[in-house]
Amino acid sequence: GENVEQHPSTLSVQEGDSAVIKCTYSDSASNYFPWYKQELGKRPQLIIDIRSNVGEKKDQRIAVTLNKTAKHFSLHITETQPEDSAVYFCAAINSGNTPLVFGKGTRLSVIA
Amino acid sequence: GAVVSQHPSRVICKSGTSVKIECRSLDFQATTMFWYRQFPKKSLMLMATSNEGSKATYEQGVEKDKFLINHASLTLSTLTVTSAHPEDSSFYICSASRREGSTDTQYFGPGTRLTVL
Repeated sequence: GENVEQHPSTLSVQEGDSAVIKCTYSDSASNYFPWYKQELGKRPQLIIDIRSNVGEKKDQRIAVTLNKTAKHFSLHITETQPEDSAVYFCAAINSGNTPLVFGKGTRLSVIA
Repeated sequence: GAVVSQHPSRVICKSGTSVKIECRSLDFQATTMFWYRQFPKKSLMLMATSNEGSKATYEQGVEKDKFLINHASLTLSTLTVTSAHPEDSSFYICSASRREGSTDTQYFGPGTRLTVL
């Protein structure tokens, strides 16, 4: 089955700097890669996703890149702000009705 | 985005009692819902996949007789923790899969924090 590795587990950046979180997956059939942000005690919120027919997607300060050959995808947050502090999870899936396989999460701290 | 609700948001119960958690997709029909468990500072652990009108598929190591799942309609799935014990205390989150064009996107409920005394 699918296995998703996520790095780093913790990340601290200064406000205004960029943050990058990387994930690798094992199943070449996976074709959908969402990223979730989870604040303490709250539900994971979908912040951006990318499908296998696209190499990059951007939404304001957030971007995701996908390298299918290498089977890795990354989340990029630019101009970080304190409210970006949260745990971020990557996930991979090859069908919407099969379970998401999550990475172990990255705790991002943005220091003002 | 799609709205998924969960009830209750918090529950405290005595050891040995059963607790039912409801997961509803409010503005779409979800043929598939998923139940996750999350321990503090950990990732989401899939417990089971719930399909409307059929038996749930449980992940290895999850006791189906302890965590009863019922998916009675396209908008409702329930998780019942039977004979709860303190080690069952956790954050339980459901997600519902919504068809968007030719693909499916999963949306999470707000979670239920269960504390077993």
